[in-house]
Amino acid sequence: GQNIDQPTEMTATEGAIVQINCTYQTSGFNGLFWYQQHAGEAPTFLSYNVLDGLEEKGRFSSFLSRSKGYSYLLLKELQMKDSASYLCAVQDSNYQLIWGAGTKLIIKP
Amino acid sequence: GAVVSQHPSRVICKSGTSVKIECRSLDFQATTMFWYRQFPKKSLMLMATSNEGSKATYEQGVEKDKFLINHASLTLSTLTVTSAHPEDSSFYICRATPGDMNTEAFFGQGTRLTVV
Repeated sequence: GQNIDQPTEMTATEGAIVQINCTYQTSGFNGLFWYQQHAGEAPTFLSYNVLDGLEEKGRFSSFLSRSKGYSYLLLKELQMKDSASYLCAVQDSNYQLIWGAGTKLIIKP
Repeated sequence: GAVVSQHPSRVICKSGTSVKIECRSLDFQATTMFWYRQFPKKSLMLMATSNEGSKATYEQGVEKDKFLINHASLTLSTLTVTSAHPEDSSFYICRATPGDMNTEAFFGQGTRLTVV
C-alpha cells in the first residue's frame, strides 16, 4: 500500500530551528509537496521537490532523497505565526496526491 | 500564485436539506478539480476527481448519489451534498490544477459544513 509518515506533533521555541521529517512509500513518484495549514483554513503551498537535494525559500527549506523515500521541511528563525500543521504529500505515478496526516507544530515563546 | 475561490466558507443546514459548494479558478483554466474532506486533526481525504465536461471519478466508499459533483466549465466545479445528515458535517476543500501536474496545487479556502 501507499503511505506517508510524519510525526504527529512537534514543539519548538520561538527563534529556533525545527526539522519536520516525512518518509513515504508510494506507487511511483512525481514530486513531493509541503503545505502549511492553520486550524480551520485550507492548506497553503510551501514547496515542491522532484529532484534530490535542498530547496531554500526564505526561512523555509525542503530536502528530498528519492532513494531513501525521505524528505524534511526545515523552518528557521521560528515565529509564533509558524504554529500550524505541516502536511507532506507525494504525487504518485498517476499524479494522485497521497497525503500524510500532518505534523502539528507548536511554537513556544 | 493562482487563485481558487470557494464559496461559502461556512454553512449551517438542517438535516435532510441539500447544500451546494462552489469552487472557481479565478485566473486560470482548471482542467482538473479535486474535492477533499477533512475531519478534525486528520489529513485530507480525497472524495472525487472531476475533469471538465466529464463525469467525476469517485474514491472508494464515497457515495456519488450523495455527493454530486459537476464540472461544467474550466473555471467552475460544484459539490452538492444531498439529503445532508449530521455525520456529513466536515471541512470540505477543493483543489484545482491547470493541467500541468508538476506544479503546486491551488486550494480553495474550504467550506465548514455543519448539519443540525
